Amino acid sequence: AQSVTQLDSQVPVFEEAPVELRCNYSSSVSVYLFWYVQYPNQGLQLLLKYLSGSTLVKGINGFEAEFNKSQTSFHLRKPSVHISDTAEYFCAVSGPDNYGQNFVFGPGTRLSVLP
Amino acid sequence: NAGVTQTPKFQVLKTGQSMTLQCAQDMNHNSMYWYRQDPGMGLRLIYYSASEGTTDKGEVPNGYNVSRLNKREFSLRLESAAPSQTSVYFCASSEWGPRTPLHFGNGTRLTVT
Repeated sequence: AQSVTQLDSQVPVFEEAPVELRCNYSSSVSVYLFWYVQYPNQGLQLLLKYLSGSTLVKGINGFEAEFNKSQTSFHLRKPSVHISDTAEYFCAVSGPDNYGQNFVFGPGTRLSVLP
Repeated sequence: NAGVTQTPKFQVLKTGQSMTLQCAQDMNHNSMYWYRQDPGMGLRLIYYSASEGTTDKGEVPNGYNVSRLNKREFSLRLESAAPSQTSVYFCASSEWGPRTPLHFGNGTRLTVT
């Protein structure tokens, strides 16, 4: 079975500072990895995804993430955050088995960008 | 571009009452899902429908039923609501399989008193 750990439940950071949101997963098979963002009172939106190939993936709003197979990690980074990045961020993993039950989500990290 | 539309946005029920949450997608996606979101627990899968005509249980199916009415619509029914079902419910859809990302609706906030 797959699982996802997001080590930080809350991350406060000042505007224009860099940020890294951590995600680790466990799986006995190859995985596909996703980061989603949830703004207040909205559904989740896809930020970026890793399916195969280059381990550094770029997403929307200046975010990027690096897949590290040996460390089973998929950390999300942004070099300079804006107030508008304040939201909750979810890491998710899926695998090549039967679909539907394979999207396992982490508990989320609440990013607060301070002026 | 509507994407995934959920109704209602908010609902308050008394214990024992029933209700149906509606979901429709206009992206011609094959697969549809119902999740619940609770603080500190991420999203947990209630039921999913891999394709029109099929439904399967997810991680937390007890107390819920679903209907895949057609390719566009996937409803979630609470037959006898309980306080433990107080949550935010999200419908999602995807093209097919674990490589395709989920597209989410804006959620239904349900309170059971």
